[in-house]
Amino acid sequence: QKEVEQNSGPLSVPEGAIASLNCTYSDRGSQSFFWYRQYSGKSPELIMSIYSNGDKEDGRFTAQLNKASQYVSLLIRDSQPSDSATYLCAVNNGSGTYKYIFGTGTRLKVLA
Amino acid sequence: EADIYQTPRYLVIGTGKKITLECSQTMGHDKMYWYQQDPGMELHLIHYSYGVNSTEKGDLSSESTVSRIRTEHFPLTLESARPSHTSQYLCASSEPTTGIYGYTFGSGTRLTVV
Repeated sequence: QKEVEQNSGPLSVPEGAIASLNCTYSDRGSQSFFWYRQYSGKSPELIMSIYSNGDKEDGRFTAQLNKASQYVSLLIRDSQPSDSATYLCAVNNGSGTYKYIFGTGTRLKVLA
Repeated sequence: EADIYQTPRYLVIGTGKKITLECSQTMGHDKMYWYQQDPGMELHLIHYSYGVNSTEKGDLSSESTVSRIRTEHFPLTLESARPSHTSQYLCASSEPTTGIYGYTFGSGTRLTVV
């Protein structure tokens, strides 16, 4: 089992819809969770971080964390074609060494 | 403006050449990292540093080496490049309280060894 798992996609949603991206992780000691957006040929860009169970909202983005079930999700409301990218989930490895484990990413396509 | 810089952006080099990929950050971050990413694939940690004179190998075996003589500078060196080294190399840095702020990535170096 991979330490951080994501569905590779592509996930296709129509413009204006809600895109839901999911990530599961294996280390119960993980404490910090991040979502990065990576456009093709570019480097990852941090868009959301979450540390406590529940929801965290920032503009059109909502991160959801459920430590008991070991999953973290990202919702993108009012999806735009410019949101089309690969979304990477990153989880700290729980041992306090400040290293993050990245998932393989979910490719999102927002259809105009 | 505080940022993290990688040079060169693209590099095509012949087999057997020695190369150094540069990474510098102006944010005063103690922690710096090198990741390798093939197209459409996940990021793999190859080296990291928690401060000056501190370097560790990452989870992915790599023939590269790194040094951290200055806080702001974290170069990666390949002594003898091979076609298997063809990949994108991403440098990142993070705040001392890494658990809160995550990584900031540089623009990456796309290396092709012919």
